[in-house]
Amino acid sequence: ILNVEQSPQSLHVQEGDSTNFTCSFPSSNFYALHWYRWETAKSPEALFVMTLNGDEKKKGRISATLNTKEGYSYLYIKGSQPEDSATYLCAHPWGKFYFGSGTKLNVKP
Amino acid sequence: DAGVTQSPTHLIKTRGQHVTLRCSPISGHKSVSWYQQVLGQGPQFIFQYYEKEERGRGNFPDRFSARQFPNYSSELNVNALLLGDSALYLCASTPVGHYEQYFGPGTRLTVT
Repeated sequence: ILNVEQSPQSLHVQEGDSTNFTCSFPSSNFYALHWYRWETAKSPEALFVMTLNGDEKKKGRISATLNTKEGYSYLYIKGSQPEDSATYLCAHPWGKFYFGSGTKLNVKP
Repeated sequence: DAGVTQSPTHLIKTRGQHVTLRCSPISGHKSVSWYQQVLGQGPQFIFQYYEKEERGRGNFPDRFSARQFPNYSSELNVNALLLGDSALYLCASTPVGHYEQYFGPGTRLTVT
């Protein structure tokens, strides 16, 4: 069993705030780290697949960084909007996908 | 292109009954995985099938079984349902040569 941990469990921010959250995973035998966004009543949607130490990926106002040596990835949202409200999941594929429990983000208008 | 589809959307069953959940992958995707998601937790891996063969199994009892058909669609079967089987069941398909997973909307199973 692989431990993938996410923090915080939930986050409440005001529209316009920037925010970030963490995904921790075992640093040994690393292959890739996936980030998903899961809006209520919808399917989880892939955001990023990160594979290289020091990798930084960006999609609009959302970006992610990866540190495979210390076993963590950060997801940043710049200028949060109400439509960013969702649960953000990370997953570490090692034979099978091991998901964290997610960070639930609520952005208040 | 149609995404991953799952049926039914919602289901209510009684303890001890059996249930079959269905998943159709994105056209061209040959791998299908099943996950169970209970409130407050991330999805837990149940099975992966590729080319009709089981490629991985999570830590679930033998009451859980699955199969994949020649058209790559898949069924998840759960026998002797328990209250604790109440959850959202997600199906995901993966294109050949890639690791990205594309999820369906899930089936919400309630066991009473």
